[in-house]
Amino acid sequence: SQKIEQNSEALNIQEGKTATLTCNYTNYSPAYLQWYRQDPGRGPVFLLLIRENEKEKRKERLKVTFDTTLKQSLFHITASQPADSATYLCRVQGNTPLVFGKGTRLSVIA
Amino acid sequence: GAVVSQHPSWVICKSGTSVKIECRSLDFQATTMFWYRQFPKQSLMLMATSNEGSKATYEQGVEKDKFLINHASLTLSTLTVTSAHPEDSSFYICSATDGPRDIQYFGAGTRLSVL
Repeated sequence: SQKIEQNSEALNIQEGKTATLTCNYTNYSPAYLQWYRQDPGRGPVFLLLIRENEKEKRKERLKVTFDTTLKQSLFHITASQPADSATYLCRVQGNTPLVFGKGTRLSVIA
Repeated sequence: GAVVSQHPSWVICKSGTSVKIECRSLDFQATTMFWYRQFPKQSLMLMATSNEGSKATYEQGVEKDKFLINHASLTLSTLTVTSAHPEDSSFYICSATDGPRDIQYFGAGTRLSVL
């Protein structure tokens, strides 16, 4: 069956460090993968899209990688700040149009 | 980026009443909108896909007579929770896609509390 797994429910890191979040998928052949940020009590906000033929995408302090062999995407936040604390969701494009991972709740501690 | 407005942001109602939630795309036309439900600390659960001018497509396990969806124009979709009960209390979120890039633009969500 198709599955999306985000490595952990919660991740705590020290301010200034790099946060790395993982998204693994099973039984999909996505043309692209997306990452969103959700703050408590708010709707998610789109951050980045990476296509299957792209190895890496960057936007300011954010970096996303996409390994179709490993069926995995890594989401990095460099020089993390307390304001980066939120839940991060990955979305895999595939046969089912809208499937999100359960999300990883990131807490950046000052 | 594209803006999706959702209203109301918070509603409390008595058991047995109906509640309507509106979702508007403010600066783009959305042929397709989506409705989600989210419980605390849980992932988004897609309830239905709403297409302008046609019937909504509901996900398995979602009662279409309970959650009425109307997508009357390219910028407005509504979700009506009929005869709401306490178990319907949840966070409801809509989204619309911008088309080719298939990016989801979300509303701010509606917190429904049924007493």
